[in-house]
Amino acid sequence: AQKVTQAQTEISVVEKEDVTLDCVYETRDTTYYLFWYKQPPSGELVFLIRRNSFDEQNEISGRYSWNFQKSTSSFNFTITASQVVDSAVYFCALSEAQGGSNYKLTFGKGTLLTVNP
Amino acid sequence: DTGVSQDPRHKITKRGQNVTFRCDPISEHNRLYWYRQTLGQGPEFLTYFQNEAQLEKSRLLSDRFSAERPKGSFSTLEIQRTEQGDSAMYLCASSLWGQKNETQYFGPGTRLLVL
Repeated sequence: AQKVTQAQTEISVVEKEDVTLDCVYETRDTTYYLFWYKQPPSGELVFLIRRNSFDEQNEISGRYSWNFQKSTSSFNFTITASQVVDSAVYFCALSEAQGGSNYKLTFGKGTLLTVNP
Repeated sequence: DTGVSQDPRHKITKRGQNVTFRCDPISEHNRLYWYRQTLGQGPEFLTYFQNEAQLEKSRLLSDRFSAERPKGSFSTLEIQRTEQGDSAMYLCASSLWGQKNETQYFGPGTRLLVL
């Protein structure tokens, strides 16, 4: 069975601090997909990034960066110079491969990030 | 390009009543998913469709729940004889199967409260 663990339930930082959200996953599949989503107070899940298991390159997008390490089954997310608008619940998710594509997502419990001015 | 839409956004009902939710996916997307999210938890998979075919149902989907996607476009999720434990956010997502880097995009959700 697949499992995603986000050990940090809540994190509180002051604006402009860097913050890293941890994600550890378990799967028996050799091909799988990892995702991060953001859920602001409005409730809608906003897609941030997708990673394939065969692509371990780290990625940077503006103030966001992701560190994927298969050896430790981790897919951590770092926000640099955090802003108040980054306050939200962040979910890490895992999908096994089916027919060469991903399908149902298994989510972690989420990390509530609060950025204080 | 409009995103995934869901209706209603909020629903309050009394225990034992039936409720139906609607999801309109992104127009060209052939896959449609339903998830349920309770307070303080991540979303949990309920079921999904590829076009009009329902390909998988979770054990979470009891026989009081039924989902349809009759013409391969919008989908409905019906809960019969609602129970207080059904109170949750019901999320719909859609994706384009076969597309490189296929990704699920979510709607705003329907928040259900069963009194």
